[in-house]
Amino acid sequence: EVQLVQSGAEVKKPGESLKISCKGSGYTFTTFWIGWVRQMPGKGLEWMGIIYPGDSDTRYSPSFQGQVTISADKSVNTAYLQWSSLKASDTAMYYCARNAKVGATQSAFDYWGQGTLVTVSS
Amino acid sequence: EIVLTQSPGTLSLSPGERATLSCRASQSVSSSYLGWYQQKPGQAPRLLIYGASSRATGIPDRFSGSGSGTDFTLTISRLEPEDFAVYYCQQYGRPPSSFGQGTKLEIK
Repeated sequence: EVQLVQSGAEVKKPGESLKISCKGSGYTFTTFWIGWVRQMPGKGLEWMGIIYPGDSDTRYSPSFQGQVTISADKSVNTAYLQWSSLKASDTAMYYCARNAKVGATQSAFDYWGQGTLVTVSS
Repeated sequence: EIVLTQSPGTLSLSPGERATLSCRASQSVSSSYLGWYQQKPGQAPRLLIYGASSRATGIPDRFSGSGSGTDFTLTISRLEPEDFAVYYCQQYGRPPSSFGQGTKLEIK
């Protein structure tokens, strides 16, 4: 069974750093792109970027380029999303999701993690 | 970036009725790389349709997708109580991928 399990909720202060994780299981982790999606409170879905765990090739939305870093460690089947200096506006639910088509950047997301709620408040 | 506009913003219908949700793209979506998702409160989105018209695994056949180019439609033939949720379209044909703002399907 394919599963994406994300790390738990975080409460941080502005200016702090953070790295959240998404562990994949039940499939060959290195052959499917993994994406990150932001959902701000009461709002819609925003595509942030994707990574290919096989070689760590990464693509970002221009809206998020330079604001976050997406990475992966194929030895532990885990993708990451990190911030070096959080802002209050980073408060949101963050989902990881797997591209449905093996090896393809252009794909819908077929499996989703449960979400990680990040709260940034002084 | 391709902007997706969904309409209506909110759709009020009764169980058993037919629902028609629209997704319009600011530019043509290549190869019908268009998906639809359902999201219920407190849950992650669920893929319903990919490639504009193909149902994802386990999705009931009352859900169907159609369209090409810039105009796409999700149709739910006969609404079940569990279908009331928010629906999003996503284009993944031209990077960066993007989502529509969502249509809330509520019980009338």
